[in-house]
Amino acid sequence: AQSVSQHNHHVILSEAASLELGCNYSYGGTVNLFWYVQYPGQHLQLLLKYFSGDPLVKGIKGFEAEFIKSKFSFNLRKPSVQWSDTAEYFCAVSVNDMRFGAGTRLTVKP
Amino acid sequence: DTAVSQTPKYLVTQMGNDKSIKCEQNLGHDTMYWYKQDSKKFLKIMFSYNNKELIINETVPNRFSPKSPDKAHLNLHINSLELGDSAVYFCASSQEPYGYTFGSGTRLTVV
Repeated sequence: AQSVSQHNHHVILSEAASLELGCNYSYGGTVNLFWYVQYPGQHLQLLLKYFSGDPLVKGIKGFEAEFIKSKFSFNLRKPSVQWSDTAEYFCAVSVNDMRFGAGTRLTVKP
Repeated sequence: DTAVSQTPKYLVTQMGNDKSIKCEQNLGHDTMYWYKQDSKKFLKIMFSYNNKELIINETVPNRFSPKSPDKAHLNLHINSLELGDSAVYFCASSQEPYGYTFGSGTRLTVV
């Protein structure tokens, strides 16, 4: 089965700083890739997804992610974070089912 | 209009009790899932059902049993609840190529 690793457990940034969250997966075949966000006390919301085509994917709230097949990576980026981006971020890989990374907690200081 | 709905949202119960969590999706998706999110926010898949057939059964205790009366429902029944079962349980559904839709979660607290 596929597996996902997220490198950063907790990231702390000031508002307007740029964000990049790392995600690597292990699976030899074709995968679908996702980033989800979970605000405190809330359920999972889809930020963006990659199935095929342009490896640079744009999502909601100004987030984007780049699929680099040679590196098995799908890193999440945002040029300028806001306090309201404080949340838990999950990378996920779907083959026959969806497997999640351990999550990265993002804290944005006002 | 809720796509994937779970009930109850909160569940507090004593050790040893049996409880069920219900999940319904109105998206017409073929596959439904149950995920467990522990206190460290780690999400682990528990079960999935495709056309009323169990296709994945991760290494969860047999006290947990998924029940799917029809394609739109996947309920989770838990026998003899233990303290370690305390977590947030998420239901989800999927249909290729649209991806997954998650419910709002059920916070289970075993005391």
